[in-house]
Amino acid sequence: NAGVTQTPKFRVLKTGQSMTLLCAQDMNHEYMYWYRQDPGMGLRLIHYSVGEGTTAKGEVPDGYNVSRLKKQNFLLGLESAAPSQTSVYFCASSYRMRDSPLHFGNGTRLTVT
Amino acid sequence: DAKTTQPNSMESNEEEPVHLPCNHSTISGTDYIHWYRQLPSQGPEYVIHGLTSNVNNRMASLAIAEDRKSSTLILHRATLRDAAVYYCILRDVGGKLIFGQGTELSVKP
Repeated sequence: NAGVTQTPKFRVLKTGQSMTLLCAQDMNHEYMYWYRQDPGMGLRLIHYSVGEGTTAKGEVPDGYNVSRLKKQNFLLGLESAAPSQTSVYFCASSYRMRDSPLHFGNGTRLTVT
Repeated sequence: DAKTTQPNSMESNEEEPVHLPCNHSTISGTDYIHWYRQLPSQGPEYVIHGLTSNVNNRMASLAIAEDRKSSTLILHRATLRDAAVYYCILRDVGGKLIFGQGTELSVKP
């Protein structure tokens, strides 16, 4: 049982380049989330999705886009990367019930130079 | 979104119990209280959750105040492997889940 898988694990981008981070879950979860975590900080919600075909903004959505075309996948896109987007990105998923725990991936470490 | 407040850091000695507090004075009647922890260089992991009654599992216990405005995560015997950042969050009927800064727990041998 793979759980939540994030691809890639590491990436270095130059300013202005674009990339897509992939999150895949095999637990048939309805809800999926993208968080970023900067050094010494907590998790900040970028975007989330409550079901296939739906997305919503979190706390820090600027500079990012997301898509949830398939229930099992949640993609996070950076159209024009900036050094301020250097961070560790975590994906999470859960069932929709309020007593359902979040399952996290192992993170993607992104550096923008 | 209901907010939680936790101390920035706490210290414990190995083999002793640890009580990690969380205030959530604006909690609504249907919000569940969830706790997660994040070990160094890892993603967060689920610890425990509850609604009104105290809860126990193999990792920890969760004590919820009668008015639900606060809760306490209890590690019965801290080990060095319990050194982590502990997050308390509220889960409501919507999908948005906001994490606070959490409490950084250090455990001394």
